[in-house]
Amino acid sequence: SDVLTQPPAVSVAPGQTATITCGGNGVGSPSLHWYQQKPGQAPVLVVYDDSDRPSGIPERFSGSKSGNTATLTISRVEAGDEADYYCQVWDGTRNIIFGGGTKLTVL
Amino acid sequence: QITLKESGPTLVKPTQTLTLTCTFSGFSLTDSGVAVGWIRQPPGKALEWLALIFGDDDKRYRPSLKSRLTITQDTSKNQVVLTMTNMEPVDTATFYCAHKGRGMTDFDYWGQGTLVTVSS
Repeated sequence: SDVLTQPPAVSVAPGQTATITCGGNGVGSPSLHWYQQKPGQAPVLVVYDDSDRPSGIPERFSGSKSGNTATLTISRVEAGDEADYYCQVWDGTRNIIFGGGTKLTVL
Repeated sequence: QITLKESGPTLVKPTQTLTLTCTFSGFSLTDSGVAVGWIRQPPGKALEWLALIFGDDDKRYRPSLKSRLTITQDTSKNQVVLTMTNMEPVDTATFYCAHKGRGMTDFDYWGQGTLVTVSS
């Protein structure tokens, strides 16, 4: 079955750029999405369909995909961006898959 | 404004059946392509999709849990119900319901989640 692989943790200093990757054969699905989850809260959609942002999500959040790797980029990182981030795909038929999650630490 | 809220027991015993209700507003499941899904998250672990239901009663299940899951809808009450049989301690998790929009494959609105503990 499809698997989405994410690095367990990423650290970045405030004001710098954070990149979180999502890899695996599941990335080849038509659309990939990213969620932000802060402690004790429900996930929030931050990027959908590979690179689109829902209304209200800052432009600092961007998504891209190349081959079997998708990337969430957070520019000018702020303390409030510290959270877990998950990628997700749906193959349209059988299965909806989430990645294992990446904990973003702002140093 | 779309909102969803999960309700159900906070504690179930091993071997029991869990029944959770998602009550939503701001959309109708009868809208073409709209669906409600259930996702769970064990403490400290990743999100795991469980089930999805469309307004035409098309249902999808996580293949590995299909034998234990049932998702149903009550459109008159704007509710979606998930049942999970034969609960075990490893099933302890926060359960979320979420909205999937027409033509989309993401979950754009989520409930606050409800923690279910499986323990004798």
